[in-house]
Amino acid sequence: QLTQSPASLSASVGDTVTVTCQASQGINDLLAWFQQKPGRAPKLLIYAASTLESGVPSRFSGRRSGTDFTLTISSLQPDDFATYYCQQVHTFPITFGQGTRLE
Amino acid sequence: QVQLVQSGAEVKKPGASVEISCKASGYSFTTFDMHWLRQLPGQEIEWMGKISPSGGGTNYAQKFQGRVTMTRDRSTNTIYVELRSLESEDTAVYYCARGQSTVWHNVPSYWGQGTLVTVS
Repeated sequence: QLTQSPASLSASVGDTVTVTCQASQGINDLLAWFQQKPGRAPKLLIYAASTLESGVPSRFSGRRSGTDFTLTISSLQPDDFATYYCQQVHTFPITFGQGTRLE
Repeated sequence: QVQLVQSGAEVKKPGASVEISCKASGYSFTTFDMHWLRQLPGQEIEWMGKISPSGGGTNYAQKFQGRVTMTRDRSTNTIYVELRSLESEDTAVYYCARGQSTVWHNVPSYWGQGTLVTVS
């Protein structure tokens, strides 16, 4: 089970924000982060907890500390305002966090 | 480039079945696992299961066991999901997605455009 926080986040262009995902048990690095915009499919940002997907800007970063995972977006750009989800692929069924709306 | 094109929106009555297709192009169809997921109106994302296009093996989420069937057609590079005994709670946008790599095969990196299924 994944607990994602906060549910929503207010920020401005240029800010640095952090989204947290806590796993209820150890999942090693088997966690991914997605970005979703209204009416669009989710887009993979990070997998293996900290590996940037090809083509994703370097202002996105992921980190793991035990069962706590963070997604950090540095120097927010207008295009970054969206909803973010974490996903664990350690155990079936694959599950997602509840989402964080960045506005 | 990788493309996943899904079939169009569906409106179904409770108790009916729905089948959604997803046609893949731009890569070797049999190399990567394919997933079906859905997004509920409240934005929660649920993983329904996956299929291996090479051998056809499947792994379904327990929540959908007995009510879902995933198949593939290697001649047309298409996968299908059938969901039976539909209820209003099955109203959602359904997505197919391709695994990121042969190592990270359970991380969906390419997604279809989504298919809205309305049960009413």
